[in-house]
Amino acid sequence: NAGVTQTPKFQVLKTGQSMTLQCAQDMNHNSMYWYRQDPGMGLRLIYYSASEGTTDKGEVPNGYNVSRLNKREFSLRLESAAPSQTSVYFCASRDTGEPSYEQYFGPGTRLTVT
Amino acid sequence: RKEVEQDPGPFNVPEGATVAFNCTYSNSASQSFFWYRQDCRKEPKLLMSVYSSGNEDGRFTAQLNRASQYISLLIRDSKLSDSATYLCVVDNTNAGKSTFGDGTTLTVKP
Repeated sequence: NAGVTQTPKFQVLKTGQSMTLQCAQDMNHNSMYWYRQDPGMGLRLIYYSASEGTTDKGEVPNGYNVSRLNKREFSLRLESAAPSQTSVYFCASRDTGEPSYEQYFGPGTRLTVT
Repeated sequence: RKEVEQDPGPFNVPEGATVAFNCTYSNSASQSFFWYRQDCRKEPKLLMSVYSSGNEDGRFTAQLNRASQYISLLIRDSKLSDSATYLCVVDNTNAGKSTFGDGTTLTVKP
């Protein structure tokens, strides 16, 4: 099993450019998440998808859009990149249940916007 | 006030020391609690879940106090390999969302 995969691993954008970060999981998980992590800080939730066909905003959704393409794939799009979006982006997935199960994270995408 | 707050650290301890991390959360509806470990420039990985009765995994002990809305992690007999950032995570299961603390960095020195 590959677990959670993310592409690309690194990206440099100029202000105003757009890009899509890809995420896929092979664990048949229902829930998927996009987080950003700035230096010295914890992870902040951008968007999440509790199940295929649904998406909801997290703590910091402005400037981003998401698509839950199917159960495996959850993409994050920056329509017009800004320097404030320079960060490390992590995708995660988990099974649903109560109490909550652990989240499995991808290796991250390191994005720099100049 | 942040929803999840951790000791700011950093903690620098010698090998063999015992170290404790604390975490408080503000949402009384929170239902699930975790400690994740994050190595430098890597993704977070689950260290342990935290249960009301407290739980232990080898040198690691986690405790939850719902009345005080407080979570702790105790590491005994610290190893060099324990050097990492430890993230406190709180779930509001009804909302399906997790809130992460900013993390506490531990450096274990020879």
